[in-house]
Amino acid sequence: EPEVTQTPSHQVTQMGQEVILRCVPISNHLYFYWYRQILGQKVEFLVSFYNNEISEKSEIFDDQFSVERPDGSNFTLKIRSTKLEDSAMYFCASSLPRTAFFGQGTRLTVV
Amino acid sequence: AQKITQTQPGMFVQEKEAVTLDCTYDTSDPSYGLFWYKQPSSGEMIFLIYQGSYDQQNATEGRYSLNFQKARKSANLVISASQLGDSAMYFCAMREGNAGGTSYGKLTFGQGTILTVHP
Repeated sequence: EPEVTQTPSHQVTQMGQEVILRCVPISNHLYFYWYRQILGQKVEFLVSFYNNEISEKSEIFDDQFSVERPDGSNFTLKIRSTKLEDSAMYFCASSLPRTAFFGQGTRLTVV
Repeated sequence: AQKITQTQPGMFVQEKEAVTLDCTYDTSDPSYGLFWYKQPSSGEMIFLIYQGSYDQQNATEGRYSLNFQKARKSANLVISASQLGDSAMYFCAMREGNAGGTSYGKLTFGQGTILTVHP
């Protein structure tokens, strides 16, 4: 069964450092997303991506965040200068109209 | 106002019994889709079931069914014959403008319900 794959599963980084979270969406899907879940809280939308551009972003997705699809298969989320409050589980998702499949998540810890 | 409300922070059920997890939603869009996800302690988000606002029948997937009451704006998940492996957090989510399959908009999630299945 096709699945969304995320790497790494865990990342620890120092405050102020840049991190890149990677995702391989399901191959025939066209829409991709990033969500985050701060520990114990609900899942929050960050950004959606279609046809090599951002289609929607939330107020959380400020200038320190960026996304790209560098090679037609990978889909990345970059956080330029991490803050303590960026510590969360980050989920990549890819979608058809009646489904939205999530990757297993990357747990980011900023110290 | 909350778009998705899950009023049960925690639920308990005996193994092999059925359990209903509540979800109410708020939208003025006539076209929307409702999703349920399971999040076990390992953290992944597992897609369970989908209901479109124009679907004529309530969705079912194996032991999961959705009790969709459009007038009440509720989309409760029913898990039949509970198993120990069903113990997890369950999230309800909504995508607006999706009933006709024409939207790929963001999902808005509720706060979740922790389900514990007792042997």
